[in-house]
Amino acid sequence: NAGVMQNPRHLVRRRGQEARLRCSPMKGHSHVYWYRQLPEEGLKFMVYLQKENIIDESGMPKERFSAEFPKEGPSILRIQQVVRGDSAAYFCASSPFSAQRREQYFGPGTRLTVT
Amino acid sequence: AQTVTQSQPEMSVQEAETVTLSCTYDTSESNYYLFWYKQPPSRQMILVIRQEAYKQQNATENRFSVNFQKAAKSFSLKISDSQLGDTAMYFCASLTSGTYKYIFGTGTRLKVLA
Repeated sequence: NAGVMQNPRHLVRRRGQEARLRCSPMKGHSHVYWYRQLPEEGLKFMVYLQKENIIDESGMPKERFSAEFPKEGPSILRIQQVVRGDSAAYFCASSPFSAQRREQYFGPGTRLTVT
Repeated sequence: AQTVTQSQPEMSVQEAETVTLSCTYDTSESNYYLFWYKQPPSRQMILVIRQEAYKQQNATENRFSVNFQKAAKSFSLKISDSQLGDTAMYFCASLTSGTYKYIFGTGTRLKVLA
């Protein structure tokens, strides 16, 4: 059973460009979570999605960031007009259900560098 | 709000020795889970050990064990017989039962010395 897949692993963008980060959850998992890790910090929750629904985006910056999890295909975290402060590692996690134990399985992360 | 505090930014230990990483947390909830994750240079988040708050017995996974002090809200990780491959960042995290937001500490960078 393949784990959570994220691509690309490394992404370099110039200021003002768009960044698209992809996450394929584990097989059978329909809940996806995105976290951001700034340098020398722990992971911080950004958004929680189920298929075709955003459940909680309270950790997402209000502007330039968006996320989706379509019926078919991976979850996408999109950052428009990137700035240097967006440089971070972005982790995706998935879980098979959203109640009780809630253990999430993390992907390897995408390291975004904005030049 | 829930918080997780790791007060040791860096630690080192000699190979084969034992080291303990500290973690304290603050929550008003009664049901929750605590985790230790390892993040090696590859940046992959690897679950090391998990503890359910309602269980009094401390969790153990091979060379890794925890000292869970619920009243003191303390959750330390003990690594026995340290190996070079244990060199990594270690994050303590909490998760309230019925929710989905992990709360992570800022991490402890552990270096195992040959």
